[in-house]
Amino acid sequence: ILNVEQSPQSLHVQEGDSTNFTCSFPSSNFYALHWYRWETAKSPEALFVMTLNGDEKKKGRISATLNTKEGYSYLYIKGSQPEDSATYLCACRGSARQLTFGSGTQLTVLP
Amino acid sequence: DGGITQSPKYLFRKEGQNVTLSCEQNLNHDAMYWYRQDPGQGLRLIYYSQIVNDFQKGDIAEGYSVSREKKESFPLTVTSAQKNPTAFYLCASSIGTGDTGELFFGEGSRLTVL
Repeated sequence: ILNVEQSPQSLHVQEGDSTNFTCSFPSSNFYALHWYRWETAKSPEALFVMTLNGDEKKKGRISATLNTKEGYSYLYIKGSQPEDSATYLCACRGSARQLTFGSGTQLTVLP
Repeated sequence: DGGITQSPKYLFRKEGQNVTLSCEQNLNHDAMYWYRQDPGQGLRLIYYSQIVNDFQKGDIAEGYSVSREKKESFPLTVTSAQKNPTAFYLCASSIGTGDTGELFFGEGSRLTVL
């Protein structure tokens, strides 16, 4: 079982602040890295899937980068809004070809 | 609307009873998955199925059973052999099992053993 770690576990930011969090994973036998957003009482939804070292993806105010050589991915949110409040999950696909999830970063954006 | 439907949302069970959680998808996806969430932990894979009439154990399959008789349906039975069944259960599907296939999730079922 892969060791996928996310930090911080939780954070609170003010509306308008930009923020970022980290997902760390084993750099060997890497196949893909997924990010999901999970709002309270809803289903987790995919944000990004990345496979190549140096990949950068963007969706609106949210972007992500991938470094497979050192085994980390960053998720950035620019100008946080209250509707960005959610738990952000990352998941890594390794040689077992199944996704292993981190425990998530819980973001609260204060108005 | 296409999506994944899990039922029931909340379920209470007495110790020693088996219980079945339903998962139905109308996305025409081949692959389906069951995950378990416990506080402070990541989602852990229980079982997955890549095609009808076939399924594989995940990381924590002990005490659980599944079936995949139809493409749309992947029910999970939590048996009395599962020592700590109280948890939140998520069902998911994907087009295939390729590396870039994102998962589509249901809203989950919360099981409490009394």
